[in-house]
Amino acid sequence: DAGITQSPRHKVTETGTPVTLRCHQTENHRYMYWYRQDPGHGLRLIHYSYGVKDTDKGEVSDGYSVSRSKTEDFLLTLESATSSQTSVYFCAISRDSQETQYFGPGTRLLVL
Amino acid sequence: GENVEQHPSTLSVQEGDSAVIKCTYSDSASNYFPWYKQELGKRPQLIIDIRSNVGEKKDQRIAVTLNKTAKHFSLHITETQPEDSAVYFCAARKETSYDKVIFGPGTSLSVIP
Repeated sequence: DAGITQSPRHKVTETGTPVTLRCHQTENHRYMYWYRQDPGHGLRLIHYSYGVKDTDKGEVSDGYSVSRSKTEDFLLTLESATSSQTSVYFCAISRDSQETQYFGPGTRLLVL
Repeated sequence: GENVEQHPSTLSVQEGDSAVIKCTYSDSASNYFPWYKQELGKRPQLIIDIRSNVGEKKDQRIAVTLNKTAKHFSLHITETQPEDSAVYFCAARKETSYDKVIFGPGTSLSVIP
């Protein structure tokens, strides 16, 4: 597997609390992505980054923000978690936009 | 924007039989089509991909075919084995800067020993 880690791997939180998920890579890839995976929806892109401090929205970005202050780290923040954000979150990386995406191990988030 | 549909949503086959999963896409400008396999509790992993300049690609027991006119592509797995049991995702993307990969909803394949 590519050098991608996600933390935490599991998290239970309450509605209204802020949550930050971290993706860390050791591949020095330029592109990083956050997806959420829900039954019947496949993988849906939340936000992505094409360089340090360069980010853009995906198809389901409402309620999420991201930051990338270093090449190796991409943070996903739920400002005020809601039950609809209960999901499995995957980070992915790619060398550039036209290269294969490699996925991290995922973070299972439960919002009560 | 791009929309990718995938059928069937679930598929059961006997070990040794073939399995076929079909996907359709909406954006005629899409020209890169990867397939990912996700085992239970694991991360999605690329198993094969095809670009629009070819109609078919094979890698051992798996193959992908592409029909750009009809805007559909298919994954074929021959001589299925229990370890092929997983969820398979197709995806489509335009190969221009910053374009995103759009995934289908997935097919859960069960290979019955």
